[in-house]
Amino acid sequence: QVQLQESGPGLVKPSETLSLTCTVSGGSISGRYWGWIRQPPGKGLEWIGYVYYSGNTNYNPSLKSRVSISVDTSKNQFSLKLSSVTAADTAIYFCARYATSTFPNWFDPWGQGTLVIVSS
Amino acid sequence: QTVVTQEPSFSVSPGGTVTLTCGLSSASVSTNYCPSWYQQTPGQAPRTLIYNTNTRSSGVPDRFSGSILGNKAALTITGAQADDESDYYCLLYMGSGSWVFGGGTKLTVL
Repeated sequence: QVQLQESGPGLVKPSETLSLTCTVSGGSISGRYWGWIRQPPGKGLEWIGYVYYSGNTNYNPSLKSRVSISVDTSKNQFSLKLSSVTAADTAIYFCARYATSTFPNWFDPWGQGTLVIVSS
Repeated sequence: QTVVTQEPSFSVSPGGTVTLTCGLSSASVSTNYCPSWYQQTPGQAPRTLIYNTNTRSSGVPDRFSGSILGNKAALTITGAQADDESDYYCLLYMGSGSWVFGGGTKLTVL
């Protein structure tokens, strides 16, 4: 059974870059799409973007200028970078696998999420 | 930016039936949007309930069902139980490799 685990700093200073990694266990990262989703405290879910195992990506237009998602198949990991962060980027960040290898698609399973606070 | 609308809150009595909806500000939701539904309890990751409009994810009780009702996607809970009290989110595929979540519905069972 595939499991996902987010990791990275829980505190990032304003204007710096948030960096998170999602480690996939119980299955290969190859052949699938992988996504990042975030949830500000007390608010709803927001789709950030995805990466295909080959490296193809797509991002939420509202974040596109600041976000980058990459994949490392040798480590069975994919990563999120969000630059020029502000307090508005404080959120729980989830990684998730897309359930199939084609579009359209949906998320299953999800990682447990990691809280990132943007503060000086 | 596309807005996906959900009822902010809903209440249902134990044993009752409730239908949550997921709409679009500027179009009708159809199966082409591949609606999926997620349940989230406080402090937990979302759990996939329904995908492809009406297919239950593995292990999801059959009291949860998905459909298209009119111009919206719908999640119906039949015979609500206390542990169904959660936040529910829909997700729509907008095409060209992009998705949008609804704002979520907080369901109270009382």
